[in-house]
Amino acid sequence: SYELTQPPSVSVSPGQTARITCSGDALPKQFAYWYQQKPGQAPVLVIYKDTERPSGIPERFSGSSSGTTVTLTISGVQAEDEADYYCQSADKHVVFGGGTKLSVL
Amino acid sequence: QVQLQESGPGLVNPSDTLSLTCTVSGGFISDKYWSWIRQPPGKGLEWIGYIYFSGSTNYNPSLKSRVTISVDTSKNQFSLKLSSVTAADTAVYYCARCIVGATWVWFDPWGQGTLVTVSS
Repeated sequence: SYELTQPPSVSVSPGQTARITCSGDALPKQFAYWYQQKPGQAPVLVIYKDTERPSGIPERFSGSSSGTTVTLTISGVQAEDEADYYCQSADKHVVFGGGTKLSVL
Repeated sequence: QVQLQESGPGLVNPSDTLSLTCTVSGGFISDKYWSWIRQPPGKGLEWIGYIYFSGSTNYNPSLKSRVTISVDTSKNQFSLKLSSVTAADTAVYYCARCIVGATWVWFDPWGQGTLVTVSS
C-alpha cells in the first residue's frame, strides 16, 4: 500500500493562517480526509472528500487538493486549534499520514 | 447521534489473543461499515480493518494474518480479535463508524478509545 507524508510540526501565531500538507501518489485518484486529535481525546473528522466540512466544524477549517498534495488550512487560528492533525486516504486499504503537531505560539 | 464505546481487558499477556468489543448506541449497526483503528502511545494512527454488517471484511495487510473482526447485529456490537500479541501491540484501540463508497472511506464518529497493554 502507499504512504501519506505530513510535516511533523507546524507553528503559527494566533490569528494567522496555518497550512498543513499531506502528500501521496494516490491522492489524484482518491479522496483525502483530515482528523483533529487533542491530547487524551479521540480523533474528530474535520474535512472529508478533500474539501467538505462536517456539520459542527468551524468555517475556519478548509481543505484543498492539487495533484499529489492535499492541504488543510485553518484561517484565523485560535489557541483551541492546537492539536495533532492526521490525513487519511485509501486505495484497496486505508492509510493514515504520520500526523502533524500544530503549535499555536 | 451515533455513539460508540469500546470494552475489554486493559492488560493482555504476550502471545495471547487481544479481544475487544464495540457497542453502538443511538443507531443500528445494520447497513453500515464499522472499523477498528489503533494508536501506540505517542505515535500515529494505524488502521486495523473494517467490517460490513453482513460480515464482509477488509483488513490491513500488515495485520491480516492475526486479525478477526466480527459483528453481532442482535447486540448492536462488533468485535476485534488480535492473536499472538507482543509488546508492539500495546496501543489505544478505537472503534469507529466507517463510511465506505466506490472511491471513499472515512471514519466518523469514533469511540473514546481503550488502552490495551501487552505485558506479563
